[in-house]
Amino acid sequence: GEDVEQSLFLSVREGDSSVINCTYTDSSSTYLYWYKQEPGAGLQLLTYIFSNMDMKQDQRLTVLLNKKDKHLSLRIADTQTGDSAIYFCAESSRDDKIIFGKGTRLHILP
Amino acid sequence: EAQVTQNPRYLITVTGKKLTVTCSQNMNHEYMSWYRQDPGLGLRQIYYSMNVEVTDKGDVPEGYKVSRKEKRNFPLILESPSPNQTSLYFCASSLSPPRGYGYTFGSGTRLTVV
Repeated sequence: GEDVEQSLFLSVREGDSSVINCTYTDSSSTYLYWYKQEPGAGLQLLTYIFSNMDMKQDQRLTVLLNKKDKHLSLRIADTQTGDSAIYFCAESSRDDKIIFGKGTRLHILP
Repeated sequence: EAQVTQNPRYLITVTGKKLTVTCSQNMNHEYMSWYRQDPGLGLRQIYYSMNVEVTDKGDVPEGYKVSRKEKRNFPLILESPSPNQTSLYFCASSLSPPRGYGYTFGSGTRLTVV
């Protein structure tokens, strides 16, 4: 069945770029998403990319999609302490469901 | 403010005592869904609803019930809670099947069953 894989932890120094990677299995996915979960809160949609795009940029966020390798990445430029959160990759499945990865906890080092 | 509201935020209950977690959205969204979040397992879908009076099982529906009598409300019912239902629960809504829109999530309900 469909699956979304991402590493569980990432540590980055404040001011550096963070790159969170994700792989997915459903080649028919039309949308891929990044959600952010801050402590004690629900998930918040950060950005999404349509499958016919390679890249999407929104201020400090850059999403790269390699459809051939089924690889999605989220780059956060100039990482700040407020970026500390769990980041979930997700894909839209063929039956209109959203399949979430297990989340990557981003830890910011001073 | 557009939002999904869940209540309560925290709940401790005993095994077997029926409980309901409420979820309400003010965005006129057709699609609503319940997820549970567990360490190491990520988010798993419990039930979803594509519109009023239309509900379907997700990946982990056992032990749960839902209803969708009105568009804005989608309560989650645990008829006889057990300790393995201790978890963090999220309600989410979307304009349509969330494919092109993504979800708006509630703030979560942390349930402990003892």
